[in-house]
Amino acid sequence: AQSVSQHNHHVILSEAASLELGCNYSYGGTVNLFWYVQYPGQHLQLLLKYFSGDPLVKGIKGFEAEFIKSKFSFNLRKPSVQWSDTAEYFCAVTRKAAGNKLTFGGGTRVLVKP
Amino acid sequence: DADVTQTPRNRITKTGKRIMLECSQTKGHDRMYWYRQDPGLGLQLIYYSFDVKDINKGEISDGYSVSRQAQAKFSLSLESAIPNQTALYFCATSDAGTGINEQFFGPGTRLTVL
Repeated sequence: AQSVSQHNHHVILSEAASLELGCNYSYGGTVNLFWYVQYPGQHLQLLLKYFSGDPLVKGIKGFEAEFIKSKFSFNLRKPSVQWSDTAEYFCAVTRKAAGNKLTFGGGTRVLVKP
Repeated sequence: DADVTQTPRNRITKTGKRIMLECSQTKGHDRMYWYRQDPGLGLQLIYYSFDVKDINKGEISDGYSVSRQAQAKFSLSLESAIPNQTALYFCATSDAGTGINEQFFGPGTRLTVL
């Protein structure tokens, strides 16, 4: 089983709709959590990250994510998407116990219809 | 962001050929990584290097080798390419000093093995 799971492989929605992408991990202990975005034809860019402190993290372009330790989850949200949010989104986790190697989820392709 | 560059950006080759993919960075980071991206699988780690004299296998190192020629350069080689190595390859860097392993990605190399 994949250690970092993204529940939806494809999401299609209209502009102004709200977006929530699920991410769950199966590690115990201290983790650092990331969401990366890959726009069509481009490289991965960091959207946001969680290391410690406030479990609600705000990132670029209006995205936010909430770390819920009890649920091993780090879901990504945006209240109102735009056509330009069409991209593939990757959740990733590092943990000190594994030498801080970055483990990615399988990705979620998001298509925003104009 | 041109801090991490990869050459070539696209390459088509034949089964059995030797291929080298190059990665250079101007971020001054000590850690460098090679990943391959396949649809639905996210990014999988091939090799990583924490400094010039340190090379480590990742999840899927079979069929690949690497060379860390300098702090700024990390090359990936396919000694005898096979069709299932057709994929998108990304190089990444991170700064060990932060202890967090936030990674910065290059633009990718699309490799097709016929």
